[in-house]
Amino acid sequence: GAGVSQTPSNKVTEKGKYVELRCDPISGHTALYWYRQSLGQGPEFLIYFQGTGAADDSGLPNDRFFAVRPEGSVSTLKIQRTERGDSAVYLCASSLRRDRVMFFGPGTRLTVL
Amino acid sequence: DAKTTQPNSMESNEEEPVHLPCNHSTISGTDYIHWYRQLPSQGPEYVIHGLTSNVNNRMASLAIAEDRKSSTLILHRATLRDAAVYYCILSYKLTFGKGITLSVRP
Repeated sequence: GAGVSQTPSNKVTEKGKYVELRCDPISGHTALYWYRQSLGQGPEFLIYFQGTGAADDSGLPNDRFFAVRPEGSVSTLKIQRTERGDSAVYLCASSLRRDRVMFFGPGTRLTVL
Repeated sequence: DAKTTQPNSMESNEEEPVHLPCNHSTISGTDYIHWYRQLPSQGPEYVIHGLTSNVNNRMASLAIAEDRKSSTLILHRATLRDAAVYYCILSYKLTFGKGITLSVRP
């Protein structure tokens, strides 16, 4: 079966623009996670979904960041008014349920010019 | 959140065993200990996890201290393909630190 996929693989945008990053989890996985990874750092937790609801969004850095998972499968991370500091690799992972093995996607590299 | 601490880097020779340590002194009774590794330009990959007892799988072994405040990932025979960043994380919030960068010398 297919693993976690993320699109686009690379996104270059200008400061102030809006971007959407998509994650397709493994079918049947109810838990979905978004992480952000800056160069030389480990992944930083952003948000965790259980089903359609955001069970823990405490890692979102500010209100410019928002994520949805309307049907409990595909998730979209939305960033408004992008800033250069938002440049990073955004990783998505899914698991059967929380505290089970996570399967990561390849990430989306976001560059804000 | 319960946190983990790991050394920044370790070196090993090919075909030799490698012991990667992790401290998690604030672990709670229900936290699982997970290890992931990340190759360059890839997402993290699951290695192994455990709760109290030592665990073995085809990739590695996990030795968990009796008080659960530390654990050690054991690669029995390091290969060049094992060169990666290894992360030890606990279940709550599954927050990663910087991990251990493992270098393997041929």
